[in-house]
Amino acid sequence: SQTIHQWPATLVQPVGSPLSLECTVEGTSNPNLYWYRQAAGRGLQLLFYSVGIGQISSEVPQNLSASRPQDRQFILSSKKLLLSDSGFYLCAWSDGTGTYNEQFFGPGTRLTVL
Amino acid sequence: AQSVTQLDSQVPVFEEAPVELRCNYSSSVSVYLFWYVQYPNQGLQLLLKYLSGSTLVKGINGFEAEFNKSQTSFHLRKPSVHISDTAEYFCAVINSGGSYIPTFGRGTSLIVHP
Repeated sequence: SQTIHQWPATLVQPVGSPLSLECTVEGTSNPNLYWYRQAAGRGLQLLFYSVGIGQISSEVPQNLSASRPQDRQFILSSKKLLLSDSGFYLCAWSDGTGTYNEQFFGPGTRLTVL
Repeated sequence: AQSVTQLDSQVPVFEEAPVELRCNYSSSVSVYLFWYVQYPNQGLQLLLKYLSGSTLVKGINGFEAEFNKSQTSFHLRKPSVHISDTAEYFCAVINSGGSYIPTFGRGTSLIVHP
């Protein structure tokens, strides 16, 4: 069966520090991968998605970036965090062979920028 | 372009009472529809989905939803809720034949009181 991992689970970082969040998927090949952010009391905001290694599409211009160095690894990064980067970050995957399949979400990372 | 409206940001209900969470979508083409649930500090998990066929869809935990094309709705229902159903519920839509990326509603917080 497929599983999706995210780490760390929680993170407290000072403003201006770098960020690296990692997501890995097991049990599937060539998945579509997604990064979402959920601010307090708000819905899901799609940040990045990827259909293959090295292929990243950005939905929202900001100081975050994403990379996909391996088929089942998706990394969210920042060189300098802002207070507004605080939130709950969710990684998700969907079957890359279909156009309507549901997304499967990881457990999330709670990021607090102080 | 597609959009999703969840008309209620919060729905309080007593235990064992029925509940309906409303979802309306806007799309010029056929759609696939999903309901996800998010428990506190966790990722989203799929409750049910409508791809085609019967308009009444049954999901996990006793939830069901009905696709109404004429009213462009996909309301979620449960005949008798439990305390454990307290969570955030998200409706999502994907245009058939278009982008595989779902559009999510802003979520409805279901609060079940004893």
